[in-house]
This record gives sequence, structure tokens and C-alpha cells, in this order.
Amino acid sequence: EDQVTQSPEALRLQEGESSSLNCSYTVSGLRGLFWYRQDPGKGPEFLFTLYSAGEEKEKERLKATLTKKESFLHITAPKPEDSATYLCAVFDSGGGADGLTFGKGTHLIIQP
Amino acid sequence: DAGVIQSPRHEVTEMGQEVTLRCKPISGHDYLFWYRQTMMRGLELLIYFNNNVPIDDSGMPEDRFSAKMPNASFSTLKIQPSEPRDSAVYFCASSLAGGSYEQYFGPGTRLTVT
Repeated sequence: EDQVTQSPEALRLQEGESSSLNCSYTVSGLRGLFWYRQDPGKGPEFLFTLYSAGEEKEKERLKATLTKKESFLHITAPKPEDSATYLCAVFDSGGGADGLTFGKGTHLIIQP
Repeated sequence: DAGVIQSPRHEVTEMGQEVTLRCKPISGHDYLFWYRQTMMRGLELLIYFNNNVPIDDSGMPEDRFSAKMPNASFSTLKIQPSEPRDSAVYFCASSLAGGSYEQYFGPGTRLTVT
């Protein structure tokens, strides 16, 4: 069974204070790792897909990286508008299904 | 495109009543997914469709839950009878293809069963 564990559960930072969120996973065959952002009362919003170890993707202040066991979402000089819950999900070829397995998320608060 | 559309946005019902949640996927997307989100369990896949055909319903919690997709632009998730433990936010998502393609989520339906 696929497992996705995100840490920390919650993180409070000052504006401009860089940090990283972790997503560790256990799958039989990773076909894709996804990062989503979720604001209160809204659906998850797609950020990145990573397919293989060593891959990196960037968008504004966010950079996602992938190893064989985990992914990191690095947030550089965050602003209050970056406050949200960040979700990690995996697609595993071994399960035979096309749905994603999600972690429980990291609730990020950026204080001005 | 307007994105994935869900209705209603909020639903409050009494235990034992039938509840129907509705979803309109993004035009041209061949896959449609139904998820449920709770504080305890996070986001869980309930069922998904490919070209209007249900492919995997192993996540549906019990026989009280059923889902249909009569055409490419409409899907329903029905709970009958509803129970308080069904209270959650239900999301519909669609994607161009399965698996490694990104899924686009709707705004969700917050269901409260009293």
C-alpha cells in the first residue's frame, strides 16, 4: 500500500524566512509526485509534477525537488500570501489505478 | 474554461436523507475523480471514471455510496441513506489522462449530516 508522510504538520515562519517542507513516500513504482496548494475553503491547486529522482521545478518563490525516497518543497523569502496548506501526492504504477495517494499536508503560516 | 464546477457548495441534511453531489469536469478531460477530505484521514480517492466508465470504486466506503457519469460533462455522487460520519468535504477533479497527468480540482461540497 502506498504511503505518503508530510512533515511538519504545521509551520509558522516570519516573512522572508526561508524553509523547506518534506514529503516522504513509499511506493512500488513511482510514476509521478505532485505538489498542490490548498487555501481555506477551496480545492487543491496544482503546483508541480516531478517524475524522476534529481528532477527540480521552480515557480516564483517555490522550488520542488525529488529523491528516491522523498521530495522537498523549498520556500525562499516567503510572503504572507504563501500561507496555505501544501499537499503532496504520488501516482504509483504498481497499484493499477490512476488515482493519487495524498499526504495530510503541511499547514504553512507566514507572518508579516 | 470555467474549471471544474461542483454543486451545491454546502449541504446540510439530516441522518437518513439522500444526498446528491454534482460535478461538471473541464471540457475535453477524459478522467473524472471523486475524493473526500476529512481532518482525520486527509484526501481519499473514492472512485474514478475514464471516458464515463467507472474504473475503480475500491475507495467507496460502503454500499450507501454510488456514483454515475451519464455523459462527458456530468457526474453525480449519491449517498443514501446519509450518516453523520459522512460529514466531510467532497471534491471532484478531472484530468486529460490518468496517472501521471495533473488533476484539476473543483471547489468542493461541504457536507454536514446531523
